[in-house]
Amino acid sequence: AQSVAQPEDQVNVAEGNPLTVKCTYSVSGNPYLFWYVQYPNRGLQFLLKYITGDNLVKGSYGFEAEFNKSQTSFHLKKPSALVSDSALYFCAVRDRGSTLGRLYFGRGTQLTVWP
Amino acid sequence: EAGVAQSPRYKIIEKRQSVAFWCNPISGHATLYWYQQILGQGPKLLIQFQNNGVVDDSQLPKDRFSAERLKGVDSTLKIQPAKLEDSAVYLCASSFAGGPGDTQYFGPGTRLTVL
Repeated sequence: AQSVAQPEDQVNVAEGNPLTVKCTYSVSGNPYLFWYVQYPNRGLQFLLKYITGDNLVKGSYGFEAEFNKSQTSFHLKKPSALVSDSALYFCAVRDRGSTLGRLYFGRGTQLTVWP
Repeated sequence: EAGVAQSPRYKIIEKRQSVAFWCNPISGHATLYWYQQILGQGPKLLIQFQNNGVVDDSQLPKDRFSAERLKGVDSTLKIQPAKLEDSAVYLCASSFAGGPGDTQYFGPGTRLTVL
């Protein structure tokens, strides 16, 4: 069975500092991994995904994530946080071997960047 | 490029009433998904369509929920009768082909409150 864990409900960071939002996953096969961001009263916006190849994936708005197969992790990072990055972040996984499109989401991590 | 459109954005109903949500996917996207997002949780897939056929409805409470995608474009999700526990945001998403590596693009969602 597929599942995603986001161990931190909240992450607080000062503007200009690096940020990390953690994600670990469990799939029966090899994963496709995704990060989405949700602003208040908005739908989910796609940030980046890992399909294959380089373990470091670069995405929108300066975000990047590193796939670590041995630790089954896909942590989201940004070198310098902005106040406008404050939002709810979701990690999601899909089994590479599945013919279905179902995404399994974590519970989300609320990121707050203070000035 | 226009994104995924959903209406209404908000709906308040009494329990045991019926409600319907509408979704128009990104033009050219063959696959359409409906997710339910309960407060404090990540989205959970209810149903996936490939063109106008159902691919995955294993998590859809079929005694009260129904969905259709006539002509393979727009989709409607219906709840009849609604229960208190159906209070959630209903998100529609679409992707080009529906494969495991495809990116799903989400609409703004419909926030349902059942009183």
